Amino acid sequence: DAKTTQPPSMDCAEGRAANLPCNHSTISGNEYVYWYRQIHSQGPQYIIHGLKNNETNEMASLIITEDRKSSTLILPHATLRDTAVYYCIALISGSARQLTFGSGTQLTVLP
Amino acid sequence: GAGVSQSPRYKVAKRGQDVALRCDPISGHVSLFWYQQALGQGPEFLTYFQNEAQLDKSGLPSDRFFAERPEGSVSTLKIQRTQQEDSAVYLCASRVQGVVTEAFFGQGTRLTVV
Repeated sequence: DAKTTQPPSMDCAEGRAANLPCNHSTISGNEYVYWYRQIHSQGPQYIIHGLKNNETNEMASLIITEDRKSSTLILPHATLRDTAVYYCIALISGSARQLTFGSGTQLTVLP
Repeated sequence: GAGVSQSPRYKVAKRGQDVALRCDPISGHVSLFWYQQALGQGPEFLTYFQNEAQLDKSGLPSDRFFAERPEGSVSTLKIQRTQQEDSAVYLCASRVQGVVTEAFFGQGTRLTVV
């Protein structure tokens, strides 16, 4: 699975959009980009995934660059409850392989 | 239940004691994973089951760690002769089979070895 690189920490003002970047320059054509988050003292929670098209769901939007070497997770209106560690993971489609977590980005939403 | 359930939520063990951690996956989920998460780190893969078959145990740190899923549903992670370095949160995740599927995680068991 491709290695992903994320900034260790970010702050965001409550009510503003939080844009979390992820680099995955060695991603292969059949690897999806997954995002999970982990709120303190809880297990990781799935947010969104995509292959090459931009994706949106009720939680977030995922923007993947045309060359697929990087992506951005967007939380459109961050709340205090969005404070968490966010993990970007590359995983081959149809794979039974495990998710490989890096260190993630600690997002702190400030009041 | 609606989600992945793990028990106990917290476990304190004396060094050298054996412990057993339980995971109840979501009903019908074929795949089950165990992870270990040290303080301040991301989860690290331990082992993977497809139904009752343990297909990957490459992440188990030593032969003191053993996992089973005898009937393809509930899984138990056993740690023998616990050491202080075993102190961590142990997470269980399950997912259905499919091309692109999300994994659902339990809240974890926090093991403290004293």
